[in-house]
Amino acid sequence: QSVLTQPPSVSGAPGQRVTISCTGSSSNIGAGYDVHWYQQLPGTAPKLLIYGNSNRPSGVPDRFSGSKSGTSASLAITGLQAEDEADYYCQSYDSSLRWVFGGGTKLTVL
Amino acid sequence: EVQLVESGGGLVQPGGSLRLSCAASGFTFSSYSMNWVRQAPGKGLEWVSYISSSSSTIYYADSVKGRFTISRDNAKNSLYLQMNSLRDEDTAVYYCARDGGLRSWFDPWGQGTLVTVSS
Repeated sequence: QSVLTQPPSVSGAPGQRVTISCTGSSSNIGAGYDVHWYQQLPGTAPKLLIYGNSNRPSGVPDRFSGSKSGTSASLAITGLQAEDEADYYCQSYDSSLRWVFGGGTKLTVL
Repeated sequence: EVQLVESGGGLVQPGGSLRLSCAASGFTFSSYSMNWVRQAPGKGLEWVSYISSSSSTIYYADSVKGRFTISRDNAKNSLYLQMNSLRDEDTAVYYCARDGGLRSWFDPWGQGTLVTVSS
């Protein structure tokens, strides 16, 4: 069981908006540590998608956005495209366990 | 271009040992902390180990503490993971990843190397 909780799967039609939640606790997200998001396309290594809760690395489309509040964070994807079909992971730091990940969410584009 | 390339994976029997390497290029390796992260087949990501730029600070996940040793050679722009007393549950793709800063993110990641522990 992962320290950060994500829904196992989400889905949406092309052009729609989807959100992926990431719930932590007072020892990680609630303690003020930042949340980061990764996209893992099938058969490839994870790629940084959002860092520092809401910042996009160069090259990441502005269709991807992140937010954080209390002990939770969210990743939103607008204008869903077929190429967005992938696994998404949230990550933070925990005062006891150090670097921790969510269990991952599989995004299906219908 | 910033690049990380892992090597050294393979099939090993339970109780055996393996040494992974990660070759870095395209950035000043000696200025960055580094990590190993693994992913069991069909499972999620698990942080394994951290080493600071000067090797002065090292951390391990409880699942590998006492069995794995992380090290680096800044002169060779290389990161290593010595894995001893391997168990079935250590079977995974092992990624090296550059640290983004204090208690922060991982970017970029290497392509990964598969370690299979099986008799």
